[in-house]
Amino acid sequence: GENVEQHPSTLSVQEGDSAVIKCTYSDSASNYFPWYKQELGKGPQLIIDIRSNVGEKKDQRIAVTLNKTAKHFSLHITETQPEDSAVYFCAASKGGMDSSYKLIFGSGTRLLVRP
Amino acid sequence: DGGITQSPKYLFRKEGQNVTLSCEQNLNHDAMYWYRQDPGQGLRLIYYSQIVNDFQKGDIAEGYSVSREKKESFPLTVTSAQKNPTAFYLCASSGTPSYGYTFGSGTRLTVV
Repeated sequence: GENVEQHPSTLSVQEGDSAVIKCTYSDSASNYFPWYKQELGKGPQLIIDIRSNVGEKKDQRIAVTLNKTAKHFSLHITETQPEDSAVYFCAASKGGMDSSYKLIFGSGTRLLVRP
Repeated sequence: DGGITQSPKYLFRKEGQNVTLSCEQNLNHDAMYWYRQDPGQGLRLIYYSQIVNDFQKGDIAEGYSVSREKKESFPLTVTSAQKNPTAFYLCASSGTPSYGYTFGSGTRLTVV
């Protein structure tokens, strides 16, 4: 079945530095790639997503890039702040009308921003 | 405001008891999902439903049961057959294919 690998599992950066989290997917038919942020004791929240017809998307300090040929996508956070500390999950789906639109999640990255 | 509500926030279960976790959404979403999250771990799919009166097993369905009698509701029962139920349970919904999930705030279940 489809698999999504996420690296690194933990990431520690200094406040103000950039953070990059990378994911690789196995199914070339995947066409939707969201990123979620989960704060301690809360449910994940969608922070940005990208579809396969776009190579890059940006929203203020966060951006996502997609390389369909290599089947990987990345989350970039610039000018990190302590409130960015959380667990981040990537996901992929094929967007079909059947159960293939289920999201397949990566294993998560714990980001720590040091003041 | 539209959203997805899980209750209770905290739940304690005695050995041998069945407990039911509630999940309600007013987003008019067709699909709903239940995930289990253990400390420091990722999301594991328990059950999902794409339409009323239909649901499918996920990766770790043993010891759990669900129902989908209404579009808005997708309760999860943790049965006594689930030997290690202590975990954080997340419910999610999605509107159409290719759309992201909306997650609830979770229920933390502890066996006492």
